[in-house]
Amino acid sequence: DVKVTQSSRYLVKRTGEKVFLECVQDMDHENMFWYRQDPGLGLRLIYFSYDVKMKEKGDIPEGYSVSREKKERFSLILESASTNQTSMYLCASSFSGQGFGYTFGSGTRLTVV
Amino acid sequence: GQQVMQIPQYQHVQEGEDFTTYCNSSTTLSNIQWYKQRPGGHPVFLIQLVKSGEVKKQKRLTFQFGEAKKNSSLHITATQTTDVGTYFCAVQTGTYKYIFGTGTRLKVLA
Repeated sequence: DVKVTQSSRYLVKRTGEKVFLECVQDMDHENMFWYRQDPGLGLRLIYFSYDVKMKEKGDIPEGYSVSREKKERFSLILESASTNQTSMYLCASSFSGQGFGYTFGSGTRLTVV
Repeated sequence: GQQVMQIPQYQHVQEGEDFTTYCNSSTTLSNIQWYKQRPGGHPVFLIQLVKSGEVKKQKRLTFQFGEAKKNSSLHITATQTTDVGTYFCAVQTGTYKYIFGTGTRLKVLA
């Protein structure tokens, strides 16, 4: 069963901590994405990557960075966590080309206290 | 920038009633995707529409792309409790990059 795996389902971190969210896909997808989901705001794109070592900013990149050293792994980094980064974080991946939807991971619910 | 409006935000229906959610864009779209997210779950890809006026069906779900490619709808016939969840449209804004609508949360009352 093909899937996108996020390392943690729930995470609680303190303000100012450096936080790593890991995402691994086993479908050989070229593209990987990080979204955050908040009530009333839908899904908002943080960063995405079309290839290994490549990254591009999404709509809300401030306070975040990413790393893609291997094709199957895409990490989201919160350099100094703040309470307004409390959210559900969703990783997704997709093939390049038309007609391919995203495959999402189960999400990481991050609480920053 | 690209904006996509999805209405309604919430919909409660009695089991057996029909349901429709609409997605509207300010610009012409190259394609549109639809996703379903069950409560506590993650979004799952349902379908992609590409052609003007395109209509696709998946069992009780009917997806339509407007003639001007600026709007789309998802219609569910005779809802069931298994249809509960949030339905999102997603529009392409760059190579393989999509932005999502705010979603329509459907509740089905048995």
